[in-house]
Amino acid sequence: ILNVEQSPQSLHVQEGDSTNFTCSFPSSNFYALHWYRWETAKSPEALFVMTLNGDEKKKGRISATLNTKEGYSYLYIKGSQPEDSATYLCAPANTGGFKTIFGAGTRLFVKA
Amino acid sequence: NAGVTQTPKFQVLKTGQSMTLQCAQDMNHEYMSWYRQDPGMGLRLIHYSVGAGITDQGEVPNGYNVSRSTTEDFPLRLLSAAPSQTSVYFCAAGGHTEAFFGQGTRLTVV
Repeated sequence: ILNVEQSPQSLHVQEGDSTNFTCSFPSSNFYALHWYRWETAKSPEALFVMTLNGDEKKKGRISATLNTKEGYSYLYIKGSQPEDSATYLCAPANTGGFKTIFGAGTRLFVKA
Repeated sequence: NAGVTQTPKFQVLKTGQSMTLQCAQDMNHEYMSWYRQDPGMGLRLIHYSVGAGITDQGEVPNGYNVSRSTTEDFPLRLLSAAPSQTSVYFCAAGGHTEAFFGQGTRLTVV
């Protein structure tokens, strides 16, 4: 079972600020790393999936990087907006792509 | 597109009762999973399945059973409900590239 840690647990920023979160995980038996965005009272929605060391993905103002050798991934949000307020979950999957384990998430609050 | 459908959306059980949470998907994903969400703990994997007839335990399987007789359906059974099983339950389909989640079932055990 993968031990996944996300930091910080919560984050309060002003509109327009750029921010980043960290996801750390055991690097052994790594297969893929998923990032999800989870708004209150909704279901988690996929942002990115990354599989290769050095992968970088971008969707609008949100981007992510992956380091499989040291076991971490960063999620960046440039110019945060109130609608970015959500919990951001990372989920590494082990070899074979199964048994996806989620971190506890980073709860982002963006104040207008 | 239905995607992943969970029923019921809300349920209240008495301690000791049993029930089944239903999950159905129409995306033909081989991989399906059940998670529970508790405050401050994110999503914890209960059981998962990599295809019809194959299931395996996740992080917190005790008190739950699953079966996967078809690709489409992956029901979660609570054998004897306990207050500790009060939670929001999410079913998901897919895993390699992206998991699609159902809308969740909010279960309260009194």
